[in-house]
Amino acid sequence: DVKVTQSSRYLVKRTGEKVFLECVQDMDHENMFWYRQDPGLGLRLIYFSYDVKMKEKGDIPEGYSVSREKKERFSLILESASTNQTSMYLCASSFLEGTQYFGPGTRLLVL
Amino acid sequence: AQSVAQPEDQVNVAEGNPLTVKCTYSVSGNPYLFWYVQYPNRGLQFLLKYITGDNLVKGSYGFEAEFNKSQTSFHLKKPSALVSDSALYFCAVRDPGNTGKLIFGQGTTLQVKP
Repeated sequence: DVKVTQSSRYLVKRTGEKVFLECVQDMDHENMFWYRQDPGLGLRLIYFSYDVKMKEKGDIPEGYSVSREKKERFSLILESASTNQTSMYLCASSFLEGTQYFGPGTRLLVL
Repeated sequence: AQSVAQPEDQVNVAEGNPLTVKCTYSVSGNPYLFWYVQYPNRGLQFLLKYITGDNLVKGSYGFEAEFNKSQTSFHLKKPSALVSDSALYFCAVRDPGNTGKLIFGQGTTLQVKP
């Protein structure tokens, strides 16, 4: 079975803090993705990576950065957390064919 | 532009009745189509996909979907709904740019009442 894990299920941070969300997959997938999910807005792609050290901006990259130093790990970084980044963050991985497998999500609250 | 539409925010059905969750798409070339389900406070789970072949695709938990090229639709169906099917359902199409990105619909909440 494909397994995508995320470092935390729930996280509470203060405004201005640097936040790291980590995602690990065990299927040797080339692609990895970070989304945020907000009520009424569906899933929005923040960044994706199609290879180690390669990344591309998604639809809403502002305020975020990513790191992919190893194939199995994709990190999302909030350089200076703000209250409008309170959200559910979902990581996914896939082969090029497209079937994405999702982690359980991290619910982030920024106070 | 590529897009996916799920015209219903919510679908209500009685347990035991058939259910349909609608999806239409707009994409250049041959579409790769997907359905996902999300239970509260969980990630999305893959249900089924259409890439090529038979227009009726069978997936997990008794779900199936019918690809209709002329109507550019990929509706999700189940012959007999269960209360445990209540969840949020997403339709998606692969971006034709060959990056593996998916374009998701806004989601449809399925409520199955006993």
